Amino acid sequence: AQTVTQSQPEMSVQEAETVTLSCTYDTSESNYYLFWYKQPPSRQMILVIRQEAYKQQNATENRFSVNFQKAAKSFSLKISDSQLGDTAMYFCAFMKPSNYGGSQGNLIFGKGTKLSVKP
Amino acid sequence: KAGVTQTPRYLIKTRGQQVTLSCSPISGHRSVSWYQQTPGQGLQFLFEYFSETQRNKGNFPGRFSGRQFSNSRSEMNVSTLELGDSALYLCASSFLGLETQYFGPGTRLLVL
Repeated sequence: AQTVTQSQPEMSVQEAETVTLSCTYDTSESNYYLFWYKQPPSRQMILVIRQEAYKQQNATENRFSVNFQKAAKSFSLKISDSQLGDTAMYFCAFMKPSNYGGSQGNLIFGKGTKLSVKP
Repeated sequence: KAGVTQTPRYLIKTRGQQVTLSCSPISGHRSVSWYQQTPGQGLQFLFEYFSETQRNKGNFPGRFSGRQFSNSRSEMNVSTLELGDSALYLCASSFLGLETQYFGPGTRLLVL
């Protein structure tokens, strides 16, 4: 079974600085998706970034980028120029995009990292 | 395009009652997944529906059930509520259930 581990329960960063959130996962699959979701105090889960395992290029979305190391099964999120609005819980998630084996629609989440951006 | 909507947003029930939560997916999305979020267990997958059929189910007791309608709207039902069912229930939609999921705002259920 796949597992996702986020080893940093809480982190803090000063506004405008850069922070990196860690995520490791365990799977025997070769094709899968990895995601970072953000959940602010409003509790709405918001997609931050997505990475397809077959793509070697790291995904980027504005100030958010990932460091995807497939062999090491590592998927870290870098937030540049941190803003107060980035304060939230960040969840790393895994999904196997297969229509077989009962994986449809099933995101496997880590426990989350609570990020606080300080002014 | 409107996002995923969930109703009601907040709900208070007592032990032994049952509850029904509703989720309307993004227009065109045919897959709806449900998750339970609690401080202790984190985010756990409940089940996924596609074209009115449950394709995938997590490790929850039979008190948790769901259904999907022809317009892709989905409901989940919890019967004989227990205190431990207090949680945030999130639904998410995607086109086929095999790619990015987009979440609704959640329904916060409190069981007294």
